[in-house]
Amino acid sequence: RKEVEQDPGPFNVPEGATVAFNCTYSNSASQSFFWYRQDCRKEPKLLMSVYSSGNEDGRFTAQLNRASQYISLLIRDSKLSDSATYLCVVNILSNDYKLSFGAGTTVTVRA
Amino acid sequence: EPEVTQTPSHQVTQMGQEVILRCVPISNHLYFYWYRQILGQKVEFLVSFYNNEISEKSEIFDDQFSVERPDGSNFTLKIRSTKLEDSAMYFCASSERAGINYGYTFGSGTRLTVV
Repeated sequence: RKEVEQDPGPFNVPEGATVAFNCTYSNSASQSFFWYRQDCRKEPKLLMSVYSSGNEDGRFTAQLNRASQYISLLIRDSKLSDSATYLCVVNILSNDYKLSFGAGTTVTVRA
Repeated sequence: EPEVTQTPSHQVTQMGQEVILRCVPISNHLYFYWYRQILGQKVEFLVSFYNNEISEKSEIFDDQFSVERPDGSNFTLKIRSTKLEDSAMYFCASSERAGINYGYTFGSGTRLTVV
């Protein structure tokens, strides 16, 4: 089983729509969770950390469900500039230094 | 905003040749990393480096790979004898601290093409 699994998409949504997608992780010892954004052939950029209580950053909301071992990302009021691949990233407590990446979920926002 | 700088942005090399990829991490960061991403695939961990030694390495990071911090600013990844399957985007990253809730800052990457 893969450490981090994501629905690859693509999610094609109109501007202004809400889009949400999940990521599952296999290791119950996972402690830190992040969403990164990656534009085509560019470096991953930290979008937000995901906290146990869930957190929001503007139009972006992240949730963590430890019991079911998944995290989610919701984007409200989608903008054209939100088109990107969203990477689910997990850090396992026993490996403080290593991040495990999902393969990414592609979101395309159309005008 | 501080950034991680990588050079070159693109390197083409012949199979069997040695390559050195260079990175300048953010100045007050203490933890350094190399990741790679083969085209169309996920980002994969290669190695982490702290206090002038390797902290952890993946199974990808075999004897052909080495890392070095030759001075106070540079952090390099050397591939001794490149193979076709080493063709990938190589990302350097740094973080101020390791542990819970600390994300990394990634450099813009070096695209390595082995021919």
